[in-house]
Amino acid sequence: EAGVVQSPRYKIIEKKQPVAFWCNPISGHNTLYWYLQNLGQGPELLIRYENEEAVDDSQLPKDRFSAERLKGVDSTLKIQPAELGDSAVYLCASSLETGNTQYFGPGTRLTVL
Amino acid sequence: AQTVTQSQPEMSVQEAETVTLSCTYDTSENNYYLFWYKQPPSRQMILVIRQEAYKQQNATENRFSVNFQKAAKSFSLKISDSQLGDTAMYFCAFMKQKRADGLTFGKGTHLIIQP
Repeated sequence: EAGVVQSPRYKIIEKKQPVAFWCNPISGHNTLYWYLQNLGQGPELLIRYENEEAVDDSQLPKDRFSAERLKGVDSTLKIQPAELGDSAVYLCASSLETGNTQYFGPGTRLTVL
Repeated sequence: AQTVTQSQPEMSVQEAETVTLSCTYDTSENNYYLFWYKQPPSRQMILVIRQEAYKQQNATENRFSVNFQKAAKSFSLKISDSQLGDTAMYFCAFMKQKRADGLTFGKGTHLIIQP
């Protein structure tokens, strides 16, 4: 069974530029999560989807961050414009349903110059 | 809000030794899940072990076992017969059973297994 797929693995951009991350969850998993992991810290939840509905986006900085999960499968997380402080690893995870074990992708390491 | 505390930023042991990583948490919930995840340099977060709070029996997975003390809100991970491949960051995480809000992670413990 394929795991959670994320792309790109690495991204380097200049500040004020837009950037997007893509996530393909494990087949059949209807809950999808995006986490932000700063250096030396544990991941922090940004947004959670149940199918195509964002059911918890309270930690998503909505002035510059946006996310979508069309058709309840793949998801895209976007930052526009990026700031220096956005440099971090962005992790995607999925689970069969809310409350079950979450399985993580390899993450995207973003560097903003 | 829940908090998870890992008080050991880094630990180092010799190969084949047993090591215990500590984790405490704070919550007003009665039903929840606790997890240990391993994150090697590749960044892939890998599930090590999971514990349901309503179960008194401690979870075990091969060389990995936990000591779950619900009253003390403590959830330590024991790794027996440690191997070089166990070198990684280890994160303790909490999740509510109802209306899961995602995982709440500790800051992690960097475990180094020396040959």
